[in-house]
Amino acid sequence: AQSVTQLDSQVPVFEEAPVELRCNYSSSVSVYLFWYVQYPNQGLQLLLKYLSGSTLVESINGFEAEFNKSQTSFHLRKPSVHISDTAEYFCAVSSISNFGNEKLTFGTGTRLTIIP
Amino acid sequence: DGGITQSPKYLFRKEGQNVTLSCEQNLNHDAMYWYRQDPGQGLRLIYYSQIVNDFQKGDIAEGYSVSREKKESFPLTVTSAQKNPTAFYLCASSTGKAGNTIYFGEGSWLTVV
Repeated sequence: AQSVTQLDSQVPVFEEAPVELRCNYSSSVSVYLFWYVQYPNQGLQLLLKYLSGSTLVESINGFEAEFNKSQTSFHLRKPSVHISDTAEYFCAVSSISNFGNEKLTFGTGTRLTIIP
Repeated sequence: DGGITQSPKYLFRKEGQNVTLSCEQNLNHDAMYWYRQDPGQGLRLIYYSQIVNDFQKGDIAEGYSVSREKKESFPLTVTSAQKNPTAFYLCASSTGKAGNTIYFGEGSWLTVV
């Protein structure tokens, strides 16, 4: 079985300040890791993912996440946030032994609010 | 444009009625999924289908039913047996291979009145 824990349900941050959204996972096998973003009243969009190789992955809008196997973490960071980053962020994990994404397990989400 | 279309966006249902949520994709994806989203609980998998004419129960399938007669379509029926159906429902699709991106529709709000 696999699980995902997002430690913070809400994170308020001032505009242009840095932010870190925390994600820890548990799994008995190797995993793929994902961060999805959900803007109000919309579906989810992939922000970035780790499959293999470099443990640091980046998105096109300045977010990055680092896979830390020893700490079973995949925290999301951005050095300077903008108002447009206000959204809910979901961490998700899929075990590599699975054929498909049916066992993609989502965390409970972190609502990021940017304060002007 | 390629994508996933869910309809209706908002739906009200009286207790005891069945309701069907539509999901259509033109991404040529083999796999399709239905998730339920409740505040503070993240996304929970209701049903998934990896190929036409086949589908599997997810973590919370009770009170729901699906069909997959066409590759493009994966409708979800919320039956009267679902005890707490008020939620945001998300349809998604992917190529079906682990690690590949799952693409989501815009979601459907179901409210039982």
